Amino acid sequence: KAGVTQTPRYLIKTRGQQVTLSCSPISGHRSVSWYQQTPGQGLQFLFEYFSETQRNKGNFPGRFSGRQFSNSRSEMNVSTLELGDSALYLCASGENTGEQYFGPGTRLTVT
Amino acid sequence: QKEVEQNSGPLSVPEGAIASLNCTYSDRGSQSFFWYRQYSGKSPELIMSIYSNGDKEDGRFTAQLNKASQYVSLLIRDSQPSDSATYLCPDYLYSSASKIIFGSGTRLSIRP
Repeated sequence: KAGVTQTPRYLIKTRGQQVTLSCSPISGHRSVSWYQQTPGQGLQFLFEYFSETQRNKGNFPGRFSGRQFSNSRSEMNVSTLELGDSALYLCASGENTGEQYFGPGTRLTVT
Repeated sequence: QKEVEQNSGPLSVPEGAIASLNCTYSDRGSQSFFWYRQYSGKSPELIMSIYSNGDKEDGRFTAQLNKASQYVSLLIRDSQPSDSATYLCPDYLYSSASKIIFGSGTRLSIRP
């Protein structure tokens, strides 16, 4: 099976802009989770989607949002970008057993 | 808020020796346990899953789980330089709203 794919891989945005990141899970996986990883904070859970429904959400401001489509592909959106949003954004898919398979990530730089 | 405690390291182990990594959980509700390996600049990779008390072996890796003590460990035998990475043991509780909490992990360095 093909692995988790994320697009784009790299992104540079300016403060105040918004950004949309995309994740295609492993075929058959209905759970998609998003994480933010920074050197200082480690892996921080953003949210998880399962069958198009958000099942859980981490402690991030409302500027961070996401959705999942009927084919399990997921997008996350960050509005009104801040410098502190610069990070590696990771998507992981799974079969609801807790095992997670990560994509390569999207590295977002906010200037 | 459940927490996972890991020694952040770096843990330095000579090549060929056994590396021992440990995690303790603050919540008895944890049901499934995993170990991930993350190389610098790469995304985490699942290397072991363990659901029952006892040992689970996979090649050079052995995961040991003691639910009563809320403790899980990972042993790496015959450590190789390629094992140098950060090892993560997230806390996972499945319910109608599963959530996985990652700690900062343990940095392992295998010295030649």
